[in-house]
Amino acid sequence: DTAVSQTPKYLVTQMGNDKSIKCEQNLGHDTMYWYKQDSKKFLKIMFSYNNKELIINETVPNRFSPKSPDKAHLNLHINSLELGDSAVYFCASSPTGTDTQYFGPGTRLTVL
Amino acid sequence: AQSVTQPDIHITVSEGASLELRCNYSYGATPYLFWYVQSPGQGLQLLLKYFSGDTLVQGIKGFEAEFKRSQSSFNLRKPSVHWSDAAEYFCAVGAQGGNKLVFGAGTILRVKS
Repeated sequence: DTAVSQTPKYLVTQMGNDKSIKCEQNLGHDTMYWYKQDSKKFLKIMFSYNNKELIINETVPNRFSPKSPDKAHLNLHINSLELGDSAVYFCASSPTGTDTQYFGPGTRLTVL
Repeated sequence: AQSVTQPDIHITVSEGASLELRCNYSYGATPYLFWYVQSPGQGLQLLLKYFSGDTLVQGIKGFEAEFKRSQSSFNLRKPSVHWSDAAEYFCAVGAQGGNKLVFGAGTILRVKS
């Protein structure tokens, strides 16, 4: 009974490719997030959605496009991948925007 | 805007010894405060949180943290560390009415036997 799941767990790809990461939560939460953890383990929020509407976009390059088909899913599509996009991407969800966030297991993206 | 400082990048303690991980935050109002733990190759697991009320909060795995408004701190403690506690620990602050967490840089805990 995974609460927040992400696929794939690992993603290795070449520069210039386009890739997607999927996130699903079965907690019934209204708010979902994407965070990026860089090589120094620093975690920074990228996006937040509440009931399928974008509420936070933290100056992320427009090569990154989140999509929320319903409130249980928040996918992240990345165009024209660059070396600097290599990181671990975490999805999270919370009942509301001000409540406890529950994190998925992460997707390790490696761009070669 | 809120910010979090975890002054210690690495801490090494002996198994059975007590532990305190420091966290200082910057925020103009009463914050929401969290401690998460990340084991190698794993996601983040919530240890405990402070929203309001009693300033000493208990969490999972025998951890506790104390909110001290006057010091803008939310230090994590455990009276007796186990080898399985070796991991990276992240303090985070959220704004009331806000929608994001701001994380500290993390503290890596090593436990020696």
